[in-house]
Amino acid sequence: NAGVTQTPKFQVLKTGQSMTLQCAQDMNHEYMSWYRQDPGMGLRLIHYSVGAGITDQGEVPNGYNVSRSTTEDFPLRLLSAAPSQTSVYFCASRTRGGGYTFGSGTRLTVV
Amino acid sequence: AQTVTQSQPEMSVQEAETVTLSCTYDTSESDYYLFWYKQPPSRQMILVIRQEAYKQQNATENRFSVNFQKAAKSFSLKISDSQLGDAAMYFCAYNPEGNYGGSQGNLIFGKGTKLSVKP
Repeated sequence: NAGVTQTPKFQVLKTGQSMTLQCAQDMNHEYMSWYRQDPGMGLRLIHYSVGAGITDQGEVPNGYNVSRSTTEDFPLRLLSAAPSQTSVYFCASRTRGGGYTFGSGTRLTVV
Repeated sequence: AQTVTQSQPEMSVQEAETVTLSCTYDTSESDYYLFWYKQPPSRQMILVIRQEAYKQQNATENRFSVNFQKAAKSFSLKISDSQLGDAAMYFCAYNPEGNYGGSQGNLIFGKGTKLSVKP
């Protein structure tokens, strides 16, 4: 089925570990983004991309890295995990002017 | 800065009744998009309804409709004939891109309203 595929669904990391959250979409959307969702904070933008080879920072980029080598893929890298990065992460894609199609989310716990 | 405000952290409605969720936003743009998303306990984000700012007619999707007041920068969601499955977090979102160009912005979300439906 067409949509946004996000993996893994759950992850536990130790402080200082690194990892990559994977995101892929098969709708040929130009725009892709990563959000984190924390209780009472809504969704906050981490990084986004308006096309292959183009990325930019969002509201809360520190501690995260992204790249967009293809239209389909937009991985999010945690460089050195910290407890403050415990959150639910969503990848999403859209066309210009459109609403986002979201992945199913990743619940990340950093201990 | 562009912001989206949902002033009701929690709302409750009786099954089969109507409920309205409030959303206001702050922008200097004249052309943009607005959205309501639903997030049930499954955590999945589901697009409920979309409104284009250049259209005066309020968007409607089955039991869901909006009251878009551009001058007041208000975008409320009305749910008619509420069902148990409507219980969820609802997020209002703003997209500063316009139909006729505009900035390449990103969706800005409110903090959400948790809706409970009583049987």
